[in-house]
Parts: sequence; structure tokens; C-alpha cells
Amino acid sequence: EAGVAQSPRYKIIEKRQSVAFWCNPISGHATLYWYQQILGQGPKLLIQFQNNGVVDDSQLPKDRFSAERLKGVDSTLKIQPAKLEDSAVYLCASSRTVYEQYFGPGTRLTVT
Amino acid sequence: GEDVEQSLFLSVREGDSSVINCTYTDSSSTYLYWYKQEPGAGLQLLTYIFSNMDMKQDQRLTVLLNKKDKHLSLRIADTQTGDSAIYFCASGDGGSQGNLIFGKGTKLSVKP
Repeated sequence: EAGVAQSPRYKIIEKRQSVAFWCNPISGHATLYWYQQILGQGPKLLIQFQNNGVVDDSQLPKDRFSAERLKGVDSTLKIQPAKLEDSAVYLCASSRTVYEQYFGPGTRLTVT
Repeated sequence: GEDVEQSLFLSVREGDSSVINCTYTDSSSTYLYWYKQEPGAGLQLLTYIFSNMDMKQDQRLTVLLNKKDKHLSLRIADTQTGDSAIYFCASGDGGSQGNLIFGKGTKLSVKP
């Protein structure tokens, strides 16, 4: 079974630019999550989708971050405009049940 | 808000047992997890335990849960150099079980 796929793996942008990350979950997993992991910290949930509906986006900075999951499969997370403090690894995870989340390799974003 | 705390570093010799400790604050957590993160990689689910259990064993891994003290531990028997990684403890959010709250991670170094 293929794992969670993410691209790109690395991205360097200047502040105030925009960036987008893509995630393809494990086939058949209805729930998809985006996490932000700042260096030296544990991951923090940004948004959770159930199929193509948002379950929880309470920690998503909505003035600059947006996410969508069209057709209930792939998802895109966008940042516009980026700030220095957005430098982090963005992890996508998917699950079939509430107690097993499988993570992708992440996208490392550096904002200069 | 809810919190999960872990010690940041642990160093052991190859062949010894490693014990990584974690405390959490959310008394309504239903699931408690251990994830492993190797450099440049996403998080790998190692094991999880339901809050109505006090122990779970899976090959070299033993998880102990003291629900009264909100204390979770992960014991790795016969630790190998390949076990060197960061280990994250996480609790399942009381409101939406998919929302995991992670600790900052314990970096395990295994010396030959």
C-alpha cells in the first residue's frame, strides 16, 4: 500500500511571496490532516478534513493560510503572503479510523 | 490549553533498555500514542494505547499508562543504533479524536 505523498519536499521563498503544498493521502482514507511542525516542536494541527468537508480549522491562521480538498482525495495547503515565522515542516496525514494517522514525509519551508 | 510534556534528551548504550516518559493534561484523552521521527522523515506510528488499558506490549516495545497520574511511558528493550530518533508522545483530543496534541519530542541517542 502506498503511503501519504507530499510535494514539494523542500521550498525556499522570500517573505510576502505565496506558496502551495500538495498532499495525496492513502487510498481509501477519508480523513486528511495538515500539521505544522516548527523546529524543536511537536506537530500542531492546522486543519482536518473528513472527505471534502472541514472538521476542524480552529488553529489555521485564516488571514494567510487556506486549504482545500476537492473531490475528497488530494489536498492543497496555501500560504499567502508568507511570513518569516511560517518557516517549518508541513506534514500531511491521513486516516481511515480516528486512532491511526499515517504521516507523509513533509514539506520543509524556509521563508527568507 | 491541553499540554503534553516530555524530557528532551535520552542517551543509552546499545543493548540497554530505553524508557521515555510523558505526561499529559487532558483527562478526557481516549487514545495515547507514540510516534518515531527519523531525520528528514515524517512521523511513524509506533503504537497506541486506549485509556482503559494500563499496559500494551508489541515486540520490543512496552507502553505503560498511569491514568491517575496522567503518565505514559515507552520502554524499548534491547535498544539498537537504528532506534536513534525523536520520539513523540501524543494524546487524542477529547473533543475530536482525530486532533492529536503532541509533546516536543525526546531525542534518543544510542551509543554503540
